[in-house]
Amino acid sequence: GAGVSQSPSNKVTEKGKDVELRCDPISGHTALYWYRQSLGQGLEFLIYFQGNSAPDKSGLPSDRFSAERTGGSVSTLTIQRTQQEDSAVYLCASSWGGAPIYEQYFGPGTRLTVT
Amino acid sequence: AQSVAQPEDQVNVAEGNPLTVKCTYSVSGNPYLFWYVQYPNRGLQFLLKYITGDNLVKGSYGFEAEFNKSQTSFHLKKPSALVSDSALYFCAVRVLLTGANNLFFGTGTRLTVIP
Repeated sequence: GAGVSQSPSNKVTEKGKDVELRCDPISGHTALYWYRQSLGQGLEFLIYFQGNSAPDKSGLPSDRFSAERTGGSVSTLTIQRTQQEDSAVYLCASSWGGAPIYEQYFGPGTRLTVT
Repeated sequence: AQSVAQPEDQVNVAEGNPLTVKCTYSVSGNPYLFWYVQYPNRGLQFLLKYITGDNLVKGSYGFEAEFNKSQTSFHLKKPSALVSDSALYFCAVRVLLTGANNLFFGTGTRLTVIP
């Protein structure tokens, strides 16, 4: 079946502009995660959605970052007033539920470059 | 606090030889442990997980990992390496704690299998 999809695959933007990154999780998955992967570093957790519960935003690095999930499915990560340090690959993942036993399925990522 | 360490940034092994990619963890509570692989320009793919039970778990592509509670380790192994196994490998941990909703990743180990 279809996996997690993300769009765009690549995004180049000028410093100070806003960007929106989209994630389509696997159908039926109730949990959705956003991570950031910077060059030479591991994955950094950003935000987590589970069903209709309030999202866990504890990983968002600043108030320029926000995310929403509409209808329990598609999610959009928005970065306002982008900075060069925001350049990274943004990965979305989904899982059957929020419990730790469920493995997460990752999308191919969006490579964001801020010039 | 939860953390994962992958002590080797790079592992080189000859094709046909056994391979080991090391991972140690530090958590409060019982760990749920995962291995993911990332091929160039691709998202992370789930390989295997330890939840409970048998300490030796088997996963995709002939990989296996052994959970060692006393050494807090979860090393990834394969009896005979293939050139196609060359990729970036991530160990991750999650615990069942209120507010701990995400995977904690190691910084990754790049495996190169030499023909």
